[in-house]
Amino acid sequence: QQQVKQSPQSLIVQKGGISIINCAYENTAFDYFPWYQQFPGKGPALLIAIRPDVSEKKEGRFTISFNKSAKQFSLHIMDSQPGDSATYFCAASNGGTASKLTFGTGTRLQVTL
Amino acid sequence: GAGVSQTPSNKVTEKGKYVELRCDPISGHTALYWYRQSLGQGPEFLIYFQGTGAADDSGLPNDRFFAVRPEGSVSTLKIQRTERGDSAVYLCASSPLPGTSYEQYFGPGTRLTVT
Repeated sequence: QQQVKQSPQSLIVQKGGISIINCAYENTAFDYFPWYQQFPGKGPALLIAIRPDVSEKKEGRFTISFNKSAKQFSLHIMDSQPGDSATYFCAASNGGTASKLTFGTGTRLQVTL
Repeated sequence: GAGVSQTPSNKVTEKGKYVELRCDPISGHTALYWYRQSLGQGPEFLIYFQGTGAADDSGLPNDRFFAVRPEGSVSTLKIQRTERGDSAVYLCASSPLPGTSYEQYFGPGTRLTVT
């Protein structure tokens, strides 16, 4: 059973545009929601993360929006750049620190010139 | 500082053979995780170590898979009687002391190909 559903599967955005990736979860015990960026041949790199006690977190061009009642969270990439072209994964964990991550299926983002 | 390192970066083996994959976590990180990533999919949890002991091995697919972390630092994932379905990228991640951070930092992975 997939516990974290991610959409879209792929996304093409023009340079300077906003990229939006959405995730929905089922397990209400999840209490940590990170986003990872992965380039081909590399491991996932932590981008930004949020806890359910806040509805939004911003770091530079990256923003997470979190809707606890809807069990949804999303990643917004402002002013998207060609260097942002990568695969993005949402994830979730529960049970406090040092807990396993459950990942979404990924979104392949392509930022065009 | 140095990140998580994994060796080898690539491993090709024949069906039925035994393989060992190594992970060196970030220095001082007490938690260590193994994940498996199939092509086009997100990483899937295999096992988690807190110190030397496996705190959660619920993701290991069967008894052909085993992992150790004898001194609480380096970990080895061992796969016996490999099958073609074991082909994937095996990722290792480490995390600081529990209670201080939820963040997991991943290594580059080992790409395992079973022929």
